[in-house]
Amino acid sequence: AQSVTQPDIHITVSEGASLELRCNYSYGATPYLFWYVQSPGQGLQLLLKYFSGDTLVQGIKGFEAEFKRSQSSFNLRKPSVHWSDAAEYFCAASSGATNKLIFGTGTLLAVQP
Amino acid sequence: EADIYQTPRYLVIGTGKKITLECSQTMGHDKMYWYQQDPGMELHLIHYSYGVNSTEKGDLSSESTVSRIRTEHFPLTLESARPSHTSQYLCASSAGPEGFFGQGTRLTVV
Repeated sequence: AQSVTQPDIHITVSEGASLELRCNYSYGATPYLFWYVQSPGQGLQLLLKYFSGDTLVQGIKGFEAEFKRSQSSFNLRKPSVHWSDAAEYFCAASSGATNKLIFGTGTLLAVQP
Repeated sequence: EADIYQTPRYLVIGTGKKITLECSQTMGHDKMYWYQQDPGMELHLIHYSYGVNSTEKGDLSSESTVSRIRTEHFPLTLESARPSHTSQYLCASSAGPEGFFGQGTRLTVV
């Protein structure tokens, strides 16, 4: 079955430190891959997406993600975290004509001053 | 500005009441989706639509129903709300692989 896994439920980093959020997927073929961010009580905002081509993709707010086919991974990174980055981050994938998104369980990011 | 709107943002309602959650998009997208999200949990697809008069059930079973009479409008209805329906409901639309989400409706049934 198709699935998306985010192994880290909760991560705490210090402001200014680097960040990496992990995401693995299980699909028959390489799906479209996404990272969304959700602030409390809000909807989901797209940070970045990977369809094909360059495996390192740049997104908004200084985030980037690297697609690694051999590891079935699409990890999200940021060189220096800001307090405003505290939120829940969801990795998602879709494929085929339906474009139904399958989400991971999310990673809650806390930022320490 | 093209966007996707959900109303109400918050709703507290008594058991047994009928409710309709509204979702509208101005982007002209054919595909629309409803996701259910419990606190601290992942999102689960409960309904989707490929276009007018097309609706399908999603991966998570839900007692809610949907309709798609107009391209821009995809309301979700609960005929008789119960406390187990308490959750956040997120609407999304897409023209391709990328989904655009509304702000969500947080429903509490007391």
